[in-house]
Amino acid sequence: NAGVTQTPKFQVLKTGQSMTLQCAQDMNHEYMSWYRQDPGMGLRLIHYSVGAGITDQGEVPNGYNVSRSTTEDFPLRLLSAAPSQTSVYFCASSPFSSYNSPLHFGNGTRLTVT
Amino acid sequence: GESVGLHLPTLSVQEGDNSIINCAYSNSASDYFIWYKQESGKGPQFIIDIRSNMDKRQGQRVTVLLNKTVKHLSLQIAATQPGDSAVYFCAEKEGYSGGGADGLTFGKGTHLIIQP
Repeated sequence: NAGVTQTPKFQVLKTGQSMTLQCAQDMNHEYMSWYRQDPGMGLRLIHYSVGAGITDQGEVPNGYNVSRSTTEDFPLRLLSAAPSQTSVYFCASSPFSSYNSPLHFGNGTRLTVT
Repeated sequence: GESVGLHLPTLSVQEGDNSIINCAYSNSASDYFIWYKQESGKGPQFIIDIRSNMDKRQGQRVTVLLNKTVKHLSLQIAATQPGDSAVYFCAEKEGYSGGGADGLTFGKGTHLIIQP
């Protein structure tokens, strides 16, 4: 099983550029989410979705947009990249119908904004 | 808000010894706890979980202990191997949150270093 697949693995952007981080899962999970991981800050939730057509903001949503047109895909868009968005981004998924279930993570996208 | 934390940022153990990684939480409403392992350059990987109606759960070479009285969670790794070298995160879920990962919050992690 592929699990959660993120692309690209690495990306360098200039300030003001836009890009989309891709995330796909093949486990038919309803719940998908995006986290950023910064040194000393742990994992912080950016946006999440409990199913196709439904998205909501997490702890640090500013500067990011998401959409969920299918169960499988949950792209994260940076509209105008800023150096403060330099981070490692993780996509994760889990069943939503199961109350207690762990998140399954992708291997991350390392983003540098210069 | 309440948060999950870890007692030590780095833990160094001898290969073959047992490792104990600790986690303190402050949210008395938390009722589900998870341990993750994150190797360098990879995403967090699920190790083991425990519900609040249990105080101990065992997996392969790992044991999670939950002490709700003092709000303390620990991960024990038996016969530590070089492949256990990683950052370990605990996570908690609030009892009144929704399904899936709704309400899941993470600690900052402990780096486990294996000495030969």
